[in-house]
Amino acid sequence: AQSVTQLGSHVSVSEGALVLLRCNYSSSVPPYLFWYVQYPNQGLQLLLKYTSAATLVKGINGFEAEFKKSETSFHLTKPSAHMSDAAEYFCAVSGKDNFNKFYFGSGTKLNVKP
Amino acid sequence: ETGVTQSPTHLIKTRGQQVTLRCSSQSGHNTVSWYQQALGQGPQFIFQYYREEENGRGNFPPRFSGLQFPNYSSELNVNALELDDSALYLCASSSGGTSTGELFFGEGSRLTVL
Repeated sequence: AQSVTQLGSHVSVSEGALVLLRCNYSSSVPPYLFWYVQYPNQGLQLLLKYTSAATLVKGINGFEAEFKKSETSFHLTKPSAHMSDAAEYFCAVSGKDNFNKFYFGSGTKLNVKP
Repeated sequence: ETGVTQSPTHLIKTRGQQVTLRCSSQSGHNTVSWYQQALGQGPQFIFQYYREEENGRGNFPPRFSGLQFPNYSSELNVNALELDDSALYLCASSSGGTSTGELFFGEGSRLTVL
């Protein structure tokens, strides 16, 4: 079965600091991987996705993620945090049995301090 | 282009009651997926509908059922509500039944079961 583990349910950074949110996946076949962001009382918005093209994926709002097969990781980074980045971030992998069935991690809440 | 819309946005039910949640998919999308997001957790896949047929189901009991209509809108029905059914229910639409693409989420229906 597919699964995703997000290390750290809460991450706090200062404005302007590097953002690093960790995601490790479990998959027996090359997966499709996604990062979504959720602002309070809203649905999920796609930040970026990996679909077996380039291993370094650039997304919206300055975020990027690198697919590392040897580490089964897909960590999300942003060089300089903004206050507006404060939200909850979810890593997801699509199922090998149904590519539209997504398995989500438990989420990481990002707090950005002024 | 109209995004994914869900109704109602909030509702309160009592244990044992039944609830119907509605979702209009994004224009041009023929696939609708439903996810349950309990407080503090990531979304969990309930089921997916593609061209009015159920196309994959997660680990949810039969009292969770759904429909998709010819215009690709969808309903999620939950019978015999339990306290643990309290959650944010997210609808997501996409194009294609088996290809991996982006899921476009609505803002959700927040169900509280008392």
